[in-house]
Amino acid sequence: NAGVTQTPKFQVLKTGQSMTLQCAQDMNHEYMSWYRQDPGMGLRLIHYSVGAGITDQGEVPNGYNVSRSTTEDFPLRLLSAAPSQTSVYFCASSSAAGGLREQYFGPGTRLTVT
Amino acid sequence: GENVEQHPSTLSVQEGDSAVIKCTYSDSASNYFPWYKQELGKRPQLIIDIRSNVGEKKDQRIAVTLNKTAKHFSLHITETQPEDSAVYFCASNTGKLIFGQGTTLQVKP
Repeated sequence: NAGVTQTPKFQVLKTGQSMTLQCAQDMNHEYMSWYRQDPGMGLRLIHYSVGAGITDQGEVPNGYNVSRSTTEDFPLRLLSAAPSQTSVYFCASSSAAGGLREQYFGPGTRLTVT
Repeated sequence: GENVEQHPSTLSVQEGDSAVIKCTYSDSASNYFPWYKQELGKRPQLIIDIRSNVGEKKDQRIAVTLNKTAKHFSLHITETQPEDSAVYFCASNTGKLIFGQGTTLQVKP
């Protein structure tokens, strides 16, 4: 099993550009989530999904969109990038609804917005 | 929504000493409290977790205690080693997993 994979590993965007961060898991996990990590602020939940076709907002959803058309994939879209979105983004998945079991994190995407 | 506060933000101990990290949460419906360790440049990984029907759980040198009345839980690491140096995150679950701000633990040889 590859576990949770994320692409790209690094990305530089200009303000106003759009892009999609990809996340995929091959463990048949129902629960998937996106976090951003900034120094001193821990891991903040952006959006999460409890299954295909179901998504919900986390703590910091503004500026981000998600969709969940399949169990395996959970892409995160930035429609109009802003410097405040410079961060490391982690995708995670879990076998239990609501993340009540171990969450497996992807390797992360380091995004810089200039 | 749920709020998780974690203290201290940094912790420095001598090798062999104990380390304690504390977290408080706001939602009394929270029922699952995991701890994650993140080494420099790596992804977070689960090290121990506790559910709301248990007061304490131990796994070798690490232990977690939970006080539901006071809404706080703690991570205890005994006989610390240099490889314990990392960032530690607590989290609380109420249908979605919310993390604390993290504690950078430095173990000096």
